[in-house]
Amino acid sequence: NAGVTQTPKFRILKIGQSMTLQCTQDMNHNYMYWYRQDPGMGLKLIYYSVGAGITDKGEVPNGYNVSRSTTEDFPLRLELAAPSQTSVYFCASSPGTSGRVQETQYFGPGTRLLVL
Amino acid sequence: LAKTTQPISMDSYEGQEVNITCSHNNIATNDYITWYQQFPSQGPRFIIQGYKTKVTNEVASLFIPADRKSSTLSLPRVSLSDTAVYYCLVGDITGGGNKLTFGTGTQLKVEL
Repeated sequence: NAGVTQTPKFRILKIGQSMTLQCTQDMNHNYMYWYRQDPGMGLKLIYYSVGAGITDKGEVPNGYNVSRSTTEDFPLRLELAAPSQTSVYFCASSPGTSGRVQETQYFGPGTRLLVL
Repeated sequence: LAKTTQPISMDSYEGQEVNITCSHNNIATNDYITWYQQFPSQGPRFIIQGYKTKVTNEVASLFIPADRKSSTLSLPRVSLSDTAVYYCLVGDITGGGNKLTFGTGTQLKVEL
C-alpha cells in the first residue's frame, strides 16, 4: 500500500512549455485534490475531484487543467508554463464517504516545479 | 473564502505544553476543523479533527468554543521532533462550491 504517489519529484520547465504532473492513490479514495505551496506560504487548492469524471475548481485554478478518468489517477496539466507557477505541488486524497469535501486528507510527497 | 488566521511562529522548550490558536470567523455550519503538521520537503500530515467542544487523540487535543469561530490545538509535552509548521484547515462552502482554505500556518520551534 503506497498511499499517494506523485511523479516527477522535480522538474524544470521553460516558459511556455507544457507538462503533466501525475498523481496516483491506491487507497480506493473517492476524493482527490491538487494544491500548490509557494515558498514560506500555506497550501492553496487548485482543483479537486469527488469521483471519476467529476472535477471542480479550487481557489487558484487559472493556468491549470485536470481530469479524472479513473478513481486512482488525478493528473494536473500545465499548458503554458509561466514563472508564477514555480511552486511545490501536492496531491492528496480522502475517502469521500462522509458527504463532506473536507475529510482527513492523505498527501503525496510533492512535485517541485521550477519555471524559467 | 473563509479566512483563517494563525500566529506566524511560536517557540517552546522540550517537555512544555504548546497551544496554537486558529481564528475562522466565517466557518460554515456543517464544517469541521482539521489540523495538519508539515515537515520540510514533505506533504502535510493529519493530526486531529473536530466539530465542537473538545477532541483528544494520542498526539494532541483540539478545543473548540461554542461559537466555533476559533480553535486551539494543544500539544502536550513537546519534543524536538515536533518542530514543524502547523496548519488549520476549515472547509468553506461559499461561492457555490466546496473550497478548502488552509491557514497561514504556524512555525513551531522546539528547543532543548
